[in-house]
Amino acid sequence: GESVGLHLPTLSVQEGDNSIINCAYSNSASDYFIWYKQESGKGPQFIIDIRSNMDKRQGQRVTVLLNKTVKHLSLQIAATQPGDSAVYFCAENNFNKFYFGSGTKLNVKP
Amino acid sequence: GAVVSQHPSRVICKSGTSVKIECRSLDFQATTMFWYRQFPKQSLMLMATSNEGSKATYEQGVEKDKFLINHASLTLSTLTVTSAHPEDSSFYICSARDPHRGLGGYTFGSGTRLTVV
Repeated sequence: GESVGLHLPTLSVQEGDNSIINCAYSNSASDYFIWYKQESGKGPQFIIDIRSNMDKRQGQRVTVLLNKTVKHLSLQIAATQPGDSAVYFCAENNFNKFYFGSGTKLNVKP
Repeated sequence: GAVVSQHPSRVICKSGTSVKIECRSLDFQATTMFWYRQFPKQSLMLMATSNEGSKATYEQGVEKDKFLINHASLTLSTLTVTSAHPEDSSFYICSARDPHRGLGGYTFGSGTRLTVV
């Protein structure tokens, strides 16, 4: 399979601060990326996506940045809330299959 | 929105028995479904791609005779773990693609926690 890895296994932030979660991918041919949130015992939940022809995409409180030169993705969460505590995965799409990175656990401290 | 239902959510079985997990797309037809496996505190690992009306394609290192996949209709794919052993205990998650939603049309089920004793 593809190799998609994350730089930080855990991230602790104070409630209200901004969070940045990073991801490195290996396949330069990947054309589509998604960030997922997974709460304990549940399936992944879609957060935001970005196509390879874009370098930035914004959603509600979340922004994804894509740097194809260094094959790097990041997820920015603004004004992090306790409900954001979860494990976050990036996934890359290649030939209509998604391959997941190793995940970052986000802990939001009240 | 697109909903994928996975059943059962939890199952405990004895070593040597087989277990079937169902994945259903409730409000769309999915020509392609995917099965993932996730060990505790690890990422999702793609096991196989389930194609309606044809054989599943397995990722490298996944035993096709161990993990039988049947995509009987456009809304149902099943994963059968045959002759289960404790090392097969894991969280199994399916995903279905709604072809009318393009690249963003992937929805995940809520997962099945399999424990083999």
